[in-house]
Amino acid sequence: SQQGEEDPQALSIQEGENATMNCSYKTSINNLQWYRQNSGRGLVHLILIRSNEREKHSGRLRVTLDTSKKSSSLLITASRAADTASYFCAPYSGAGSYQLTFGKGTKLSVIP
Amino acid sequence: DTGVSQNPRHKITKRGQNVTFRCDPISEHNRLYWYRQTLGQGPEFLTYFQNEAQLEKSRLLSDRFSAERPKGSFSTLEIQRTEQGDSAMYLCASSSRLAGGGTDTQYFGPGTRLTVL
Repeated sequence: SQQGEEDPQALSIQEGENATMNCSYKTSINNLQWYRQNSGRGLVHLILIRSNEREKHSGRLRVTLDTSKKSSSLLITASRAADTASYFCAPYSGAGSYQLTFGKGTKLSVIP
Repeated sequence: DTGVSQNPRHKITKRGQNVTFRCDPISEHNRLYWYRQTLGQGPEFLTYFQNEAQLEKSRLLSDRFSAERPKGSFSTLEIQRTEQGDSAMYLCASSSRLAGGGTDTQYFGPGTRLTVL
């Protein structure tokens, strides 16, 4: 397994603005997943993007994947106070292991 | 509610005591995972079951930790002789195999927060 590194570590924006967070990883991947975690809660799965996909949308979320740069980005459009949470990426390489390895995440604060 | 459930949600114990947590996965999921998360960090993998077989264990899982999944349904995680360093959120996740292979989406429970005094 390999760990994704999220950037920035913290992000503060006004409600209605867009939020972009990035994820970098080191080796080739099979797919990459993004999760959200509200304070003190479990993780909620947002999107899975496969290595042969470049972009994926889900509601106000847009995920891009650039395998040549070994990076992914998560864009949240028209942010809401309820989007305040930590966001984690989990790159998955395969090789017989099913564990996900998480970085420290990006802590997003959306100010009403 | 058909999501992953965990009990208890909070546990406070004294150092040296044993604790046991329970995870009930989504009913049709055959894969179950345990993770541990400390403040300001992402979850760290502890162990993984496919049905009742424990197929993967992290080096983090010391011999004081044991996990079981009898009959491939619910799972328990026991920590013996707890230490203050065991204080963390313990997360359980479950999944089922994606068609075509590759990893599958892991659905997480709300976690059990352990405080060791």
